[in-house]
Amino acid sequence: GENVEQHPSTLSVQEGDSAVIKCTYSDSASNYFPWYKQELGKGPQLIIDIRSNVGEKKDQRIAVTLNKTAKHFSLHITETQPEDSAVYFCAASTGTYKYIFGTGTRLKVLA
Amino acid sequence: NAGVTQTPKFQVLKTGQSMTLQCAQDMNHNSMYWYRQDPGMGLRLIYYSASEGTTDKGEVPNGYNVSRLNKREFSLRLESAAPSQTSVYFCASSAQGALNSPLHFGNGTRLTVT
Repeated sequence: GENVEQHPSTLSVQEGDSAVIKCTYSDSASNYFPWYKQELGKGPQLIIDIRSNVGEKKDQRIAVTLNKTAKHFSLHITETQPEDSAVYFCAASTGTYKYIFGTGTRLKVLA
Repeated sequence: NAGVTQTPKFQVLKTGQSMTLQCAQDMNHNSMYWYRQDPGMGLRLIYYSASEGTTDKGEVPNGYNVSRLNKREFSLRLESAAPSQTSVYFCASSAQGALNSPLHFGNGTRLTVT
């Protein structure tokens, strides 16, 4: 069946450094790729998303890139801050009601 | 703005007991979803409701039932709880569902079945 692989499962970076999280999807019909941030005890919150007709999207310190040929998309966080520490999930959707989520990356930003 | 509200926040059940998880959204969204989150497995869809009056099975529907009570409310029922249903349950909503509107999640219900 369809799946989304997400790496790494844990990531520690020094404050001010960049963090990169990568996802690979299997269903070539996927056309929407959101990223969610989940803080302890809370539900996931959308931080950025990208559609298949766009290769890159930026929002301040956060950017997402998409390579449709490789079926690969990545989250980039620059100038990391302690409040960026959380679990991040990628997801892929084919335009139906089904979103396939990655297994999450626990990001720790060390002060 | 409350967004998506889930009750209760925590629940402990004994095997065989039943319970209903409640979810309400105040964003006038058409579509609502129930997910479960287990360590190392991401979020898995249990059931969804594309619009008021419709419900459909997701990836892991066995042992659960749902009711879309009205446009705002979508409940999840466990008729006979099993230890395998120990999980964190998230309700979510979206404006347009099939048109790739982002999901808005509640803060979850942590359920333990002993």
